[in-house]
Amino acid sequence: AQSVTQLDSHVSVSEGTPVLLRCNYSSSYSPSLFWYVQHPNKGLQLLLKYTSAATLVKGINGFEAEFKKSETSFHLTKPSAHMSDAAEYFCVVSDPRGYNKLIFGAGTRLAVHP
Amino acid sequence: NAGVTQTPKFQVLKTGQSMTLQCAQDMNHNSMYWYRQDPGMGLRLIYYSASEGTTDKGEVPNGYNVSRLNKREFSLRLESAAPSQTSVYFCASSEGETQYFGPGTRLLVL
Repeated sequence: AQSVTQLDSHVSVSEGTPVLLRCNYSSSYSPSLFWYVQHPNKGLQLLLKYTSAATLVKGINGFEAEFKKSETSFHLTKPSAHMSDAAEYFCVVSDPRGYNKLIFGAGTRLAVHP
Repeated sequence: NAGVTQTPKFQVLKTGQSMTLQCAQDMNHNSMYWYRQDPGMGLRLIYYSASEGTTDKGEVPNGYNVSRLNKREFSLRLESAAPSQTSVYFCASSEGETQYFGPGTRLLVL
């Protein structure tokens, strides 16, 4: 069975400091992994995805994530937080069988302080 | 190119009332999905449609029905709303692994 665990429900950083949002996954297959962002009262936007090419994946708005198979992790990072990064972030794994089912983590709410 | 659109944006229902949530996509995607989002639980799949004319149950289908009207449109119906169905509902579409989400419908059942 596939599952996703986001290790922090809330993360708070100061503007200009690094961001680290942690995600571990469990999968019986070679997974595809995603990070989505949801700004308040908005839909979900794809930040980046890993599909077995390069292990370091670059996304939009300066975010990147590194796939580490040995640690079953897919942590999201950004060198310098902006106020506009405040949002909820979801780590997602795709089940390749059948209909590309997405399995969502519970989410990490990122707060950015001046 | 509007992507995925959903109507209504917000709805209040009384217990036992029925309603249909509408979803449309203009990306010519074959697959469409309905999710619900509840606090602390991420998104959970209600129903999906792999292609026009087919629908299948997801993780939490009880109390819902769906219709894939054509390739563009996928509706979600609550026949007899219950307070447990208070949630934010998202529609998504995909061609391959990446799903694209609509802005959501916020539903309150009293």
